[in-house]
Amino acid sequence: EVQLVESGGGLVQPGRSLKLSCAASGFTFSNYYMAWVRQAPKKGLEWVATISTSGSRTYYPDSVKGRFTISRDNAKSSLYLQMNSLKSEDTATYYCAREGPMYTTDYGYWGQGVMVTVSS
Amino acid sequence: DIQMTQSPSSMSASLGDRVTITCQASQDIGNNLIWFQQKPGKSPRRMIYYATNLANGVPSRFSGSRSGSDYSLTIISLESEDMADYHCLQYKQYPWTFGGGTKLELK
Repeated sequence: EVQLVESGGGLVQPGRSLKLSCAASGFTFSNYYMAWVRQAPKKGLEWVATISTSGSRTYYPDSVKGRFTISRDNAKSSLYLQMNSLKSEDTATYYCAREGPMYTTDYGYWGQGVMVTVSS
Repeated sequence: DIQMTQSPSSMSASLGDRVTITCQASQDIGNNLIWFQQKPGKSPRRMIYYATNLANGVPSRFSGSRSGSDYSLTIISLESEDMADYHCLQYKQYPWTFGGGTKLELK
């Protein structure tokens, strides 16, 4: 059974940093692109980052580019999101998602989400 | 960036109704579109992939279609368990972009 379990959320002050983790199991992690997607309270979904199978390629929207870094450790089947210079508008539930194998995008599996609150 | 304009933003319908939700793409995305269902406090669930393909375990009353740059999710004969938020996602080019979402409620 595929499982994605996020951790590391919490309350953080504006301008500070936070690192999210996602532990994957039930599939060959190194064969899949992985992603982070967020959802601000009462708002829609926003794609945050994607990383290739090896970690050599990463993709971000302008809203987080230069502040957030996605990474992975295939030996540990883990995905990470380093978030720096946090702003109040980064307050959201962050989901880890399995984007798909190379050349396929399916978003078939998601974690339960972890809440990040940026506030003084 | 590709904009996905989703409509309606909310709607109410009765059990047994036929419901259609639409996303319009600002540029060509081919069939690179996924529909998700999301219930309160839950993670998104993939319902339709590659615009028209039903995901595993999704009831056959759900379907996806495309007409030009308009993509539709249709539910025939609405059931109570279908009350949820629905989102579309384009993955033709980065940045991936979601539609604004549709809240489907019971009339």
